[in-house]
Amino acid sequence: DIQMTQSPSTLSASVGDRVTITCRASQSISSWLAWYQQKPGKAPKLLIYKASSLESGVPSRFSGSGSGTEFTLTISSLQPDDFATYYCQQYNSYPLFTFGPGTKVDIK
Amino acid sequence: EVQLVESGGGLVQPGGSLRLSCAASGFTFSSYEMNWVRQAPGKGLEWVSYISSSGSTIYYADSVKGRFTISRDNAKNSLYLQMNSLRAEDTAVYYCARAVAGIGTDYWGQGTLVTVSS
Repeated sequence: DIQMTQSPSTLSASVGDRVTITCRASQSISSWLAWYQQKPGKAPKLLIYKASSLESGVPSRFSGSGSGTEFTLTISSLQPDDFATYYCQQYNSYPLFTFGPGTKVDIK
Repeated sequence: EVQLVESGGGLVQPGGSLRLSCAASGFTFSSYEMNWVRQAPGKGLEWVSYISSSGSTIYYADSVKGRFTISRDNAKNSLYLQMNSLRAEDTAVYYCARAVAGIGTDYWGQGTLVTVSS
């Protein structure tokens, strides 16, 4: 089974900061990685798919990169609406999915 | 507009059963693969089960295999999850989510809470 890890688990940042979250896979998953944003009490929202493709309607301050086993989600200038928990998801073994443990972005 | 609306959650005793439903609208349900994903209180996301568009291919996470059954009724635009032999560790919000090869899970419902407790 493919295991996913994320770092950091919690990130404190200020509005306007550049934020980077890292996701690692236990084996190569090519570019079959997605990123989701989840706010308290809400369903996850797809931000990025295939490692770097921006989902329609998602602000361009979000970007993704990486391939193989290491991936990053970058928010170029953190906005008040971006304080949330972010999850990566591998689908190299589609239709079997594995999620990372999440990274909470909170206010410094 | 794509909409997924889950229902059927509630409080159930350990060892009991519950059937979740997910009503889909705004897209051709019969053309899409679907999943159930759960989230225990304060925890991360856990994939539970997958069903192909026709219903002919099904997968389960090891944690629910033999206890949960996924199914769909394309005529009713509905997805189901029959949960038997429920345990305390099955307590979670259960989401239905549309799956697309090459993308992942692009639309999610709002979730339904299942609480397993005596």
